Amino acid sequence: KNQVEQSPQSLIILEGKNCTLQCNYTVSPFSNLRWYKQDTGRGPVSLTIMTFSENTKSNGRYTATLDADTKQSSLHITASQLSDSASYICVVSVGMEYGNKLVFGAGTILRVKS
Amino acid sequence: GAVVSQHPSWVICKSGTSVKIECRSLDFQATTMFWYRQFPKQSLMLMATSNEGSKATYEQGVEKDKFLINHASLTLSTLTVTSAHPEDSSFYICSAWDRSYEQYFGPGTRLTVT
Repeated sequence: KNQVEQSPQSLIILEGKNCTLQCNYTVSPFSNLRWYKQDTGRGPVSLTIMTFSENTKSNGRYTATLDADTKQSSLHITASQLSDSASYICVVSVGMEYGNKLVFGAGTILRVKS
Repeated sequence: GAVVSQHPSWVICKSGTSVKIECRSLDFQATTMFWYRQFPKQSLMLMATSNEGSKATYEQGVEKDKFLINHASLTLSTLTVTSAHPEDSSFYICSAWDRSYEQYFGPGTRLTVT
């Protein structure tokens, strides 16, 4: 069964601090892994996308890593800001003959406090 | 990146009435669009896959007669919640594939049934 699990469920950090969110997946066949940021009441916005051969990708203060052997990914946020408060969703694409099917993690709710 | 819009962004309707939500791809043609619903503090759940010019494919447990999907053009898909009840209150999000099967999400529609 294709599954994506994220940890922690929620996280509170002080502004300016770093944090790391985790994602473990059991998906086959793997196509790519994405991290999305979803603000409350808004649709998800893509942060990074990584294929099997990529093990790290950055987007500003966001850095995602992928270990395809252990089927783990992490999203590291550097020097957090209040605007980083959101839900972060790990999404893995299952390769299909025609397009991909997305498997969503439950998300990690991040709250950045001043 | 590509832009997907939804209308309305929020709607309140009375129990027993129907409400239509529009999803548009603004700068690309989308042969395939997806409809998700999201309950508070939960991740997105795929409801159905909408293909232009053909019937939508519904996920298990989703009532096709209650959630009517029409994908009449390459840039527009609509979701009609028929005979809405309070338990249908949710956040509905659409997404669309572009030519490279990259999936872009709309901003979501908050439906409240009173």
